[in-house]
Amino acid sequence: DTGVSQDPRHKITKRGQNVTFRCDPISEHNRLYWYRQTLGQGPEFLTYFQNEAQLEKSRLLSDRFSAERPKGSFSTLEIQRTEQGDSAMYLCASSLLFLVVTDTQYFGPGTRLTVL
Amino acid sequence: QKEVEQNSGPLSVPEGAIASLNCTYSDRGSQSFFWYRQYSGKSPELIMFIYSNGDKEDGRFTAQLNKASQYVSLLIRDSQPSDSATYLCAVSGDNDMRFGAGTRLTVKP
Repeated sequence: DTGVSQDPRHKITKRGQNVTFRCDPISEHNRLYWYRQTLGQGPEFLTYFQNEAQLEKSRLLSDRFSAERPKGSFSTLEIQRTEQGDSAMYLCASSLLFLVVTDTQYFGPGTRLTVL
Repeated sequence: QKEVEQNSGPLSVPEGAIASLNCTYSDRGSQSFFWYRQYSGKSPELIMFIYSNGDKEDGRFTAQLNKASQYVSLLIRDSQPSDSATYLCAVSGDNDMRFGAGTRLTVKP
């Protein structure tokens, strides 16, 4: 499978615990995005990387959220001291932006987080 | 605040009919426009994108863009029950992609 993969697919945690999600983009895609989606809403942009550089962070991304893409390949999203409001689907997407007009993003299957 | 607005639906059409989905956006600097389909419990999958004014056709799907009116639409011809899903409009600028809340489409056999 050469699509975007995410791990784990589901995570249940207790309030106050830390969680980490992993995303493996499509091979050779240089851009990687994180989104959060709650029921009945579209995905909300959180942050994105071009290669290993984190270029943009949403104001929605509180200090409890941190993302890394250390070698420009896979990325991790960590949430510290989880709150019930963090319960959502966390989506990762990747794209290849190189001398083209459009930045076409392809999504992974998502990680569903439930905070009890 | 950059907004992407869609009618939440549900939109119900009979099998074989044309389904018309609409989207408006507020940021005039938006450059590219995307339609994604999302089945319940699944992640969004790309249907098509458009960045020039006019129509773009791909099989049963036609995207229409009018930048002056800040309006983008998706037409689905010969709708099938398998097209029943939520359709997300997405608009990209320089540094992010913004999604509408989606329109839920039901195609009745």
